Amino acid sequence: GAGVSQSPSNKVTEKGKDVELRCDPISGHTALYWYRQSLGQGLEFLIYFQGNSAPDKSGLPSDRFSAERTGGSVSTLTIQRTQQEDSAVYLCASSLSGQSYEQYFGPGTRLTVT
Amino acid sequence: EDKVVQSPLSLVVHEGDTVTLNCSYEVTNFRSLLWYKQEKKAPTFLFMLTSSGIEKKSGRLSSILDKKELFSILNITATQTGDSAVYLCAVGGSNFGNEKLTFGTGTRLTIIP
Repeated sequence: GAGVSQSPSNKVTEKGKDVELRCDPISGHTALYWYRQSLGQGLEFLIYFQGNSAPDKSGLPSDRFSAERTGGSVSTLTIQRTQQEDSAVYLCASSLSGQSYEQYFGPGTRLTVT
Repeated sequence: EDKVVQSPLSLVVHEGDTVTLNCSYEVTNFRSLLWYKQEKKAPTFLFMLTSSGIEKKSGRLSSILDKKELFSILNITATQTGDSAVYLCAVGGSNFGNEKLTFGTGTRLTIIP
């Protein structure tokens, strides 16, 4: 079956511009996660959606970052006024429920801020 | 603050060797420990461990968890060049009812033919 998909696969943007990254989770998965992986670093948790509950935004690094999940499915991560330190691979993962840690990852979006 | 530490940071071995990767952790309300293999961008799931002392095995890969000493190991026997990847350890914890994974920085494994 279809896995987690993300778009775009690569995004180059100028400093100060806004970007939107999209994640389409596996159908039926209620939990969705966004992570960031900077060069040579581990995965950094950003935000977690579980069903209709309020999202856990505790990992968002600044108020320039926001995310939403419409209809309990597709999610969009928005970065406003991008900075060079935002350059990273942004990975989305989904799992069957918030109690399941077997997360399935998408291919990621490589964001480069110039 | 939850913390996951992996060692070594990188490892280079010859094909056919056996390797052991280490993961130690400190996490609030531990629930499970997971191993992922990351070759390009998307990590792929290997194992999830919740109980101490029970080895999980998949082909040449195996893993075990020690909840008393707060660590896990991932063993790969008879390594092949296709095993070259970054191996990520992640620990699931529960904080105020929210479940999240904390990842280590990974061990970069390189297998020389």
